[in-house]
Amino acid sequence: GAVVSQHPSWVICKSGTSVKIECRSLDFQATTMFWYRQFPKQSLMLMATSNEGSKATYEQGVEKDKFLINHASLTLSTLTVTSAHPEDSSFYICSARSGGGQGTYEQYFGPGTRLTVT
Amino acid sequence: GNSVTQMEGPVTLSEEAFLTINCTYTATGYPSLFWYVQYPGEGLQLLLKATKADDKGSNKGFEATYRKETTSFHLEKGSVQVSDSAVYFCALSPPGFKTIFGAGTRLFVKA
Repeated sequence: GAVVSQHPSWVICKSGTSVKIECRSLDFQATTMFWYRQFPKQSLMLMATSNEGSKATYEQGVEKDKFLINHASLTLSTLTVTSAHPEDSSFYICSARSGGGQGTYEQYFGPGTRLTVT
Repeated sequence: GNSVTQMEGPVTLSEEAFLTINCTYTATGYPSLFWYVQYPGEGLQLLLKATKADDKGSNKGFEATYRKETTSFHLEKGSVQVSDSAVYFCALSPPGFKTIFGAGTRLFVKA
């Protein structure tokens, strides 16, 4: 099946620094990638949707200047948390989807990245 | 609008018990329906899916049938194992729209 990887799997950073998380589709081309945030024991909260080569679409309430998303190729998207603060500590999950239009909109998920800001 | 409602957890069962996790939805058009599973500290894995009414998705002993008349997609397994302990998410994906996830149901299986 389709595989999505994330790197790093966990990261600890100091308050005020920036952290970049990579999401790669390993064996398919992802025209669309999604970034989610998950708080403990809660469901996934969609942060943004990105299509290759275009700007990401952010969900309401998500600061686009704080969570920078780049989808430079069909196999790579990055999320950069800028000037991180302890409240940004969370589990970040990316997912990827190939194709578009009608059909099965199956998303393939990465293993997640746990970010801890001290 | 589009939405997914799952039964609240946690659900605690003994090994070899029968499992049902209810999921109902509202949607425009003809969405695809999914069940995802999340093990502790990991991302989501697709467990099964159904793309049209009366389809039955199945995998690893789990089954769910796409019921358009009752707008449901309940997850079932005849005999759970300790290794099935995880959080299960029901999701729908209407054509042209983003995937919508339920709140998740945590399952604990005791030996």
